[in-house]
Amino acid sequence: EDQVTQSPEALRLQEGESSSLNCSYTVSGLRGLFWYRQDPGKGPEFLFTLYSAGEEKEKERLKATLTKKESFLHITAPKPEDSATYLCAVQAPSYQKVTFGTGTKLQVIP
Amino acid sequence: SQTIHQWPATLVQPVGSPLSLECTVEGTSNPNLYWYRQAAGRGLQLLFYSVGIGQISSEVPQNLSASRPQDRQFILSSKKLLLSDSGFYLCAWSIGGSLGEQYFGPGTRLTVT
Repeated sequence: EDQVTQSPEALRLQEGESSSLNCSYTVSGLRGLFWYRQDPGKGPEFLFTLYSAGEEKEKERLKATLTKKESFLHITAPKPEDSATYLCAVQAPSYQKVTFGTGTKLQVIP
Repeated sequence: SQTIHQWPATLVQPVGSPLSLECTVEGTSNPNLYWYRQAAGRGLQLLFYSVGIGQISSEVPQNLSASRPQDRQFILSSKKLLLSDSGFYLCAWSIGGSLGEQYFGPGTRLTVT
């Protein structure tokens, strides 16, 4: 069974304090790894897709990287508007669905 | 551009009452459609997904059911709600092989009393 574990569960940063969120996964043949951002009371917003180890994607202050067992979401010089829950998900080749982690709740303090 | 609609936004229903949540997608054809539930402080639980009209796969054998009467319409139903059905219900769509690149609706907050 596919498994996704995200850490830490919650992270509190000062504005400008860079850090990383971790997503560890177990899947039989990764077809894709996905990062989402979710604001309170809203649906998740798609951020990135990573397909193979060594791949990197960037968007503003966010950079996602992928290894064979985990993915990192690096946040550089975060701002308060980056506060949200970040979700990771994986897809195996044989499944018509993805498995989500429980997320990391990020709070950036001015 | 594509848009996904869900309604109602909030719903308070007594135990034992029926449920019908509707989701529609605009601007794309033959999308894959999904229903998720998110309980407070927990991750996304996939309830149903559909790859085409009339094709429904269930992930959770509970008192919920789903139907896809039209290409871009997905309905979540229940004949009798339980307290444990409370949660945040999300509809999502994706296209082609990139099943993990999903686009979510605004959600329905359901409280069963």
